[in-house]
Amino acid sequence: AQSVTQLDSHVSVSEGTPVLLRCNYSSSYSPSLFWYVQHPNKGLQLLLKYTSAATLVKGINGFEAEFKKSETSFHLTKPSAHMSDAAEYFCVVSDQTGANNLFFGTGTRLTVIP
Amino acid sequence: NAGVTQTPKFQVLKTGQSMTLQCAQDMNHEYMSWYRQDPGMGLRLIHYSVGAGITDQGEVPNGYNVSRSTTEDFPLRLLSAAPSQTSVYFCASRNTGYGYTFGSGTRLTVV
Repeated sequence: AQSVTQLDSHVSVSEGTPVLLRCNYSSSYSPSLFWYVQHPNKGLQLLLKYTSAATLVKGINGFEAEFKKSETSFHLTKPSAHMSDAAEYFCVVSDQTGANNLFFGTGTRLTVIP
Repeated sequence: NAGVTQTPKFQVLKTGQSMTLQCAQDMNHEYMSWYRQDPGMGLRLIHYSVGAGITDQGEVPNGYNVSRSTTEDFPLRLLSAAPSQTSVYFCASRNTGYGYTFGSGTRLTVV
């Protein structure tokens, strides 16, 4: 079985400071991992994905994530937060059993303080 | 524009009523799925389909039915709505890789 755990339900940062959203995964095989973002009352947007290529994955809007097998982690980072980054972020794993269904973490709400 | 279209965007039902949430995509994707989103729980998979005529259950299928008679459409049916089904519902489709496209959601309230 595969699952992801988002370690923080809410993260607050000041504008211009680094962002770290933490995610640990559990999988019996090499996982495919994703980060999605959801702005208030909006749909879901893919930030980045890891599918067993380079372990450091760069995404949109300056976000990146590093796949660390030894730590079973896939944390999302950004060097400098912007007000527009305030949103809900989901760490997601694919089951890779043919259907490639997505399984979502419980989400981390990012607040950016001006 | 190509994408996933969900209707309606908002719906209020009384307990015991039935309704169908519509989902249509024009990208010729074989895979489609339905999720529900509840506060603090992320998105949970209800049902999915890997092609016309093929459907399967996800994590939380109870109280929901689906069918897939065409590649384009994947409706979600609530047979007898319950307050526990108050949620935001997302439909998604996917190409052969990991390129998921999500609809804009249906906000359902059951009173």
